[in-house]
Amino acid sequence: ETGVTQTPRHLVMGMTNKKSLKCEQHLGHNAMYWYKQSAKKPLELMFVYNFKEQTENNSVPSRFSPECPNSSHLFLHLHTLQPEDSALYLCASSQARGADLNYGYTFGSGTRLTVV
Amino acid sequence: AQSVTQLDSQVPVFEEAPVELRCNYSSSVSVYLFWYVQYPNQGLQLLLKYLSGSTLVKGINGFEAEFNKSQTSFHLRKPSVHISDTAEYFCAVSDKYGDQGGKLIFGQGTELSVKP
Repeated sequence: ETGVTQTPRHLVMGMTNKKSLKCEQHLGHNAMYWYKQSAKKPLELMFVYNFKEQTENNSVPSRFSPECPNSSHLFLHLHTLQPEDSALYLCASSQARGADLNYGYTFGSGTRLTVV
Repeated sequence: AQSVTQLDSQVPVFEEAPVELRCNYSSSVSVYLFWYVQYPNQGLQLLLKYLSGSTLVKGINGFEAEFNKSQTSFHLRKPSVHISDTAEYFCAVSDKYGDQGGKLIFGQGTELSVKP
């Protein structure tokens, strides 16, 4: 365990379903991130939260909706997804943006999402 | 602006042979450098990091990397690889200071395949 826990580990959903991915950390970090990792593609940064405030949205379609109720929890709400959204979704946390990043990011194990 | 280039997308190597995974970065300021490893269907795990001081950094699983400021490189090496080292490896850079401090930029990844 890295200290960042993602649930569920695997998710299969239909294109009309609504589901949520959950990420939780108790490392005292104040920045949290969602990444998308598709086969044979680089890591894609989706969203960044710093002290619960969204500071980056990298042109992510609105069918992905993030939520950060506190510095320890991060959600990714999914609705009306497309098959090309199938990927490994990774959550990470770190010390706050602007702080000394001498510990890097800590990643969860990811949620393997399959859209059918 | 920062960027990271991993020069090889795939590196096949035989077991017990040495390996080098290459990483070059660009940044106008002082940086932190990281290598992460990702095993199949897992998140990214920190292998090693360079913050300051000695340019030769040792990490987990027998890996080491050397920071070369003049060549803006941070190549990862292991003198003798095992089958279990088969994974994807990511190089990453972060500015130490400023409004980009705390932002980790990843390379595209290098797939290391160790064959018996």
